[in-house]
Amino acid sequence: DVKVTQSSRYLVKRTGEKVFLECVQDMDHENMFWYRQDPGLGLRLIYFSYDVKMKEKGDIPEGYSVSREKKERFSLILESASTNQTSMYLCASSFPIRSEQYFGPGTRLTVT
Amino acid sequence: GDSVTQMEGPVTLSEEAFLTINCTYTATGYPSLFWYVQYPGEGLQLLLKATKADDKGSNKGFEATYRKETTSFHLEKGSVQVSDSAVYFCALSSASGGSYIPTFGRGTSLIVHP
Repeated sequence: DVKVTQSSRYLVKRTGEKVFLECVQDMDHENMFWYRQDPGLGLRLIYFSYDVKMKEKGDIPEGYSVSREKKERFSLILESASTNQTSMYLCASSFPIRSEQYFGPGTRLTVT
Repeated sequence: GDSVTQMEGPVTLSEEAFLTINCTYTATGYPSLFWYVQYPGEGLQLLLKATKADDKGSNKGFEATYRKETTSFHLEKGSVQVSDSAVYFCALSSASGGSYIPTFGRGTSLIVHP
């Protein structure tokens, strides 16, 4: 079975902190994604990556950056966390890109 | 651009009732269509999929048929159980500007009472 893991299930950070969310997949998938999930808004794509060191902006990239130095790992970075970034963050992977996605359990981030 | 519209919830049913969750889409080309399920406190997991017109995806008693003429992919189950209580997401993946960016509906919450 494909396994996607995320570094934390729950995280509490202060405004202005730099925050790293890590995601690792174990099935050699080329494509990886970061979403945020908010009540009433569904899933919104922040960034995705289709290869090592490659990245594309999604629908809401502002305030976020990503890093993919190794195929299995995709990191989401909040350079200076703000309260409006309090949300559930979901990582996913797929191969090929048009196929189904495999999701991690999510990280619930609270910024105070 | 691509879009997915699914019925708003919550949908509240009694155990053994028939379930339909409507999903329609707008996309260029020939998208792949998916239903995902999210149980409380978990990430999404694939429930079923269909990759071409008239395909029927099925899993765990759930079914959905890819209807190109009506651009729909409605989710159905003949007899729901309490354990089916979850949020259901309809999604598509199609070529848009050369990259297959997935598009999700907003999710429909299903609550099944004993």
